[in-house]
Amino acid sequence: DAKTTQPPSMDCAEGRAANLPCNHSTISGNEYVYWYRQIHSQGPQYIIHGLKNNETNEMASLIITEDRKSSTLILPHATLRDTAVYYCIVAYKTRNKLVFGAGTILRVKS
Amino acid sequence: EPEVTQTPSHQVTQMGQEVILRCVPISNHLYFYWYRQILGQKVEFLVSFYNNEISEKSEIFDDQFSVERPDGSNFTLKIRSTKLEDSAMYFCASSPGQGNTGELFFGEGSRLTVL
Repeated sequence: DAKTTQPPSMDCAEGRAANLPCNHSTISGNEYVYWYRQIHSQGPQYIIHGLKNNETNEMASLIITEDRKSSTLILPHATLRDTAVYYCIVAYKTRNKLVFGAGTILRVKS
Repeated sequence: EPEVTQTPSHQVTQMGQEVILRCVPISNHLYFYWYRQILGQKVEFLVSFYNNEISEKSEIFDDQFSVERPDGSNFTLKIRSTKLEDSAMYFCASSPGQGNTGELFFGEGSRLTVL
């Protein structure tokens, strides 16, 4: 599985968009980009995933660059409850396991 | 909304004792997983289970660990003889099926403390 690089921490003002970057320069053609988050030692929570095209759901948007070497998770209007560790994971869709890195600690401040 | 449930939420045991952690995955899911997270460290994959057999396991998942789906609803992780370093949060997860195995649904975890 391709490795990912994320900044260790970021701050965001409540109500503003949070943009979390991820580098995955060794991603292969069939690997997907997945985002999960973990709020205060709870179980990780799936957010969104994508292959090439940008994706949006009720939680977030995922922007993947054309060369697929990096992506950005966007939380459009961050709230205090979005404070969590965000994990960017690259994996084949049929891969049975996800490899979690250290992630980005996002602190949303009022 | 369907969810993965885990019991117990916290278990304290003595070193050398056997521990069984229980999970009820989401009912129509086909893939089941155990992950663990030692305090302050990364979430680590332990094992995946499909069609009543282990499909993949990590180096951590040695002979002290075993998994079972005894009755079609529960999914259990057994640690035969616990060590101090087994102290961690253990997360069960499930996913719907073939071609969609990247979206895992995690439980809230079972905290294991080995004294």
